[in-house]
Amino acid sequence: DIVMTQSPDSLAVSLGERATINCKSSQNVLYSSNNKNYLAWYQQKSGQPPKLLISWASTRESGVPDRFSGSGSGTDFTLAISSLQAEDVAVYYCQQYYSTPYTFGQGTKLEIK
Amino acid sequence: EVQLVESGGGVIQPGGSLRLSCAASGFTVSNSYMSWVRQAPGKGLEWVSVLYSGGGTVYADSVKGRFTISRDNSKNTLNLQMDTLRGDDTAVYYCAREGGLGAAFQNWGQGTLVTVSS
Repeated sequence: DIVMTQSPDSLAVSLGERATINCKSSQNVLYSSNNKNYLAWYQQKSGQPPKLLISWASTRESGVPDRFSGSGSGTDFTLAISSLQAEDVAVYYCQQYYSTPYTFGQGTKLEIK
Repeated sequence: EVQLVESGGGVIQPGGSLRLSCAASGFTVSNSYMSWVRQAPGKGLEWVSVLYSGGGTVYADSVKGRFTISRDNSKNTLNLQMDTLRGDDTAVYYCAREGGLGAAFQNWGQGTLVTVSS
């Protein structure tokens, strides 16, 4: 199984400041035949289901603000929020869909400082 | 508009069975890759099972041999038959649709809570 490890477990950032969450996979999730990283980022607000923010490591979903960006390849990935807004308070998960069992990181709780 | 609505959750004793359903609208379940993902209270996300458009299935080791994923094409629903339930199966169960075959989970339901307790 591919183990996904996020860091940090929790993060407090001031409004308007940059937030960065890291995700490391225990195996490569880059599929060489199409050069795509099978890595997604989800946002889960309290009492709500997860919401897909970014797929293929760096492709923002329709309607997701451009302050959210994803980067990385292979085994190391990053989710960045360029200017934190109050509505960004949530738990963020990375997930690999390269192979079953699909696996998620343990989550990073993002709060306002 | 894509919508997923889960039902069937509740309180069940250890060793019991429960059947969850996920009613889909805005797309055809049989043409999609559909999964169940669960979240124990206060914990992270755990993938449970996938049903491919071709009919193939895969299960997490934690539920293999106890859970069965299926679909009802006439009702456009996804199902999860859960047998021999244990306390660690207590969770909110979400159905999720991949946004394209072999893609991330683009659509999620609101979830249904399953509590296994005597």
